[in-house]
Amino acid sequence: KAGVTQTPRYLIKTRGQQVTLSCSPISGHRSVSWYQQTPGQGLQFLFEYFSETQRNKGNFPGRFSGRQFSNSRSEMNVSTLELGDSALYLCASRLAGVTYNEQFFGPGTRLTVL
Amino acid sequence: GENVEQHPSTLSVQEGDSAVIKCTYSDSASNYFPWYKQELGKGPQLIIDIRSNVGEKKDQRIAVTLNKTAKHFSLHITETQPEDSAVYFCAPPRRDDKIIFGKGTRLHILP
Repeated sequence: KAGVTQTPRYLIKTRGQQVTLSCSPISGHRSVSWYQQTPGQGLQFLFEYFSETQRNKGNFPGRFSGRQFSNSRSEMNVSTLELGDSALYLCASRLAGVTYNEQFFGPGTRLTVL
Repeated sequence: GENVEQHPSTLSVQEGDSAVIKCTYSDSASNYFPWYKQELGKGPQLIIDIRSNVGEKKDQRIAVTLNKTAKHFSLHITETQPEDSAVYFCAPPRRDDKIIFGKGTRLHILP
């Protein structure tokens, strides 16, 4: 069974640009969550999608948005990039929107904003 | 993470000794208590979890203990080995179903 895949693995952008990251969950998983990981702040929750609907949202500005497609694949978009957006972006999938389901993480997309 | 405190932030132990990491949460509705391990260059991976109706769970060298009254649960690693060096996260869910991770504990196993 294939794991969670994220593309691209590495990305370099400049301030003011926008970026789209992609996540393909494990087959059959309907929930996809996104996290931002930085050395100082740890893993910060961005949002969770379940059956194409955003179920939960973290405390990030509106520049961060996402969506989920009918095949459960998810994309995350960051507009007007800032230097502070440089981070590892992780997505995680789980079977259903129930809290005691194990989350399976992808390897992440390392975003560098210059 | 919000309402989730993890201690210590860094821990160095001699190979073969034990390591204990504690996670304190605030949402009394939490009923599932997982620990994740993140190795360099990889995403976090679940290593052990416990439900609220159980006080302790063990899997070989790792164990998790839960104190619901005090709202904390701990990860115990015995007979530590070099491959245990990683960052460990707790992630107790909340009544709003958000999964918030602790800030992580960097564990160093010293030779």
